[in-house]
Amino acid sequence: EVQLVQSGAEVKKPGQSLRISCKGSGYSFTSYSISWVRQMPGKGLEWMGRIDPTDSYTDYSPSFQGHVTISTDRSISTAYLQWSSLKASDTAMYYCARLVAAANTDYFDYWGLGTLVTVSS
Amino acid sequence: QSALTQPASVSGSPGQSITISCTGTSSDVGSYNLVSWYQQHPGKAPKLMIYEGSKRPSGVSNRFSGSKSGNTASLRISGLQAEDEAEYHCCSYAGSSTWVFGGGTKLTVL
Repeated sequence: EVQLVQSGAEVKKPGQSLRISCKGSGYSFTSYSISWVRQMPGKGLEWMGRIDPTDSYTDYSPSFQGHVTISTDRSISTAYLQWSSLKASDTAMYYCARLVAAANTDYFDYWGLGTLVTVSS
Repeated sequence: QSALTQPASVSGSPGQSITISCTGTSSDVGSYNLVSWYQQHPGKAPKLMIYEGSKRPSGVSNRFSGSKSGNTASLRISGLQAEDEAEYHCCSYAGSSTWVFGGGTKLTVL
């Protein structure tokens, strides 16, 4: 069974750093990219970026480029989303999702349950 | 790269049909047949309902169907049921290995 297990909720202060994780199981982790998706309170989904675990190549949405870092550790089938200096506006639920991408097809077929990040002084 | 445009809310009675639109541009929805739709119940993770514009994953009811015309994709739900009440999000490939979501549509089953 394919599963994406995300790390637990976090409460941080502005300016602090944070790394959240997403561990894949039940499939070959290097065969699919992992994307991160933000959902601010009461809002829609926003695609942040993705990483190919094979070579750690990343693509970012222009809206998030330079604000977050996506990385992976293939040895433990885990992808990460990292901030060096959090802001209150980073308060949101963050989902990881498995990306099926090939010629003429792409979609997010499995999702983690989300990690709630709260940034407050 | 702007979010796709969806109506904030739609509603329908049990047994009726509803359609949710998702309008993009010639750089995303209009250029690729790669629109997907996700259902999200409150407090839950999104669930894939439609991919490649009109294909259903295994296990998704055939009451859900998708289509596209020009820069606008649509999700149709027929025979509305109480459990269909949820938020629905569209997503399109936007070129250069980037994707864009819509703002989400809250479906209320009256």
